[in-house]
Amino acid sequence: NAGVMQNPRHLVRRRGQEARLRCSPMKGHSHVYWYRQLPEEGLKFMVYLQKENIIDESGMPKERFSAEFPKEGPSILRIQQVVRGDSAAYFCASSPGQGENEKLFFGSGTQLSVL
Amino acid sequence: AQSVTQPDIHITVSEGASLELRCNYSYGATPYLFWYVQSPGQGLQLLLKYFSGDTLVQGIKGFEAEFKRSQSSFNLRKPSVHWSDAAEYFCAVGARAGNNRKLIWGLGTSLAVNP
Repeated sequence: NAGVMQNPRHLVRRRGQEARLRCSPMKGHSHVYWYRQLPEEGLKFMVYLQKENIIDESGMPKERFSAEFPKEGPSILRIQQVVRGDSAAYFCASSPGQGENEKLFFGSGTQLSVL
Repeated sequence: AQSVTQPDIHITVSEGASLELRCNYSYGATPYLFWYVQSPGQGLQLLLKYFSGDTLVQGIKGFEAEFKRSQSSFNLRKPSVHWSDAAEYFCAVGARAGNNRKLIWGLGTSLAVNP
């Protein structure tokens, strides 16, 4: 779904550096979800945000990870002091709102590699 | 525990052959079931979903899936596979739970199509 834009597509970081992943939702969408896909594991929910609000961050690691979705601009997933175990594909999805027929539109993901 | 199992990691079929991808779930509440497809270099795209009503649901690209509550299954089918169907297929289960809506994902089934 070209409408959800994630960048960069690939990000290489050394241990201890910071990683910033960006997600621009589809036009008109005010809800953003971040997922992580670790090798040999299914997609795991990380955080659910609306504009300027974190609604549910129950899937976020307690340390080093943070997310925001400002009033203007993309949603940012920030990982401080990255470790090798953070290497994964990070997917962002957006939706126009809540509801039984809510449909998620996914970006193509950011592949983070930690050396 | 809530979980989604896709028993087949990898499937190869010949073009024109029929296809069935299996999905079993364990979920405490009324499940809402989804199938997504991820083509190489692309984000996940929703194929179809089941919320209620007719247990046989039709999706895009000629796919269908049948919800069988007694078997806790939601298998994806296509009568005649096309080479462009080669992709990763993910089954997911979710709950209609307001702001905390999130999906539990299977590990995926990789589909290869022989000419």
